[in-house]
Amino acid sequence: GAGVSQSPRYKVAKRGQDVALRCDPISGHVSLFWYQQALGQGPEFLTYFQNEAQLDKSGLPSDRFFAERPEGSVSTLKIQRTQQEDSAVYLCASSLSADTQYFGPGTRLTVL
Amino acid sequence: AQSVTQPDIHITVSEGASLELRCNYSYGATPYLFWYVQSPGQGLQLLLKYFSGDTLVQGIKGFEAEFKRSQSSFNLRKPSVHWSDAAEYFCAVGRGPMDSNYQLIWGAGTKLIIKP
Repeated sequence: GAGVSQSPRYKVAKRGQDVALRCDPISGHVSLFWYQQALGQGPEFLTYFQNEAQLDKSGLPSDRFFAERPEGSVSTLKIQRTQQEDSAVYLCASSLSADTQYFGPGTRLTVL
Repeated sequence: AQSVTQPDIHITVSEGASLELRCNYSYGATPYLFWYVQSPGQGLQLLLKYFSGDTLVQGIKGFEAEFKRSQSSFNLRKPSVHWSDAAEYFCAVGRGPMDSNYQLIWGAGTKLIIKP
């Protein structure tokens, strides 16, 4: 079946712009995760949803970051007033039972 | 605090040679352990995982890993590497508020280079 998809794959934004990154999880997966991966680093947890409920947002680096999953399926990660330090690959993963996470290809965000 | 250490940033191995990638973790309870592989432009693909039971786990693509509680290690091995194994490998520990492992803590990764 189809895996996790993310769009856009690449995004270039000028500093101060708002961006929205989309994640389509595997159909039927209850859990959805967002991670941020800086160049040369491992991913870092941002936030976690179980269905439409955001159960943990402790990894969001600032109040400029906001995530939602209103119908318990597609999720959007929004970054307001982007800064250069936001440049990274944003990874989405979904899971049927919060054990094994399946990852999308990521969105590479470059802030100029 | 939970952490994962992958001490080797890069490893170069000749095609056909054996491979061992090291992973050490710090975690206060029984960990859930994972190895993922990331090829350029690709998402993270799960190679194998350990939750409980037999400490030697088999994964895809001929990889295996051994959980050693006394050494807090979960090293990844392959007896004979292929050029297509060139990629970055990440070790991760799962943790959560109860017995779910929903939040993964990641190592910095080891880049595997294959010499022809």
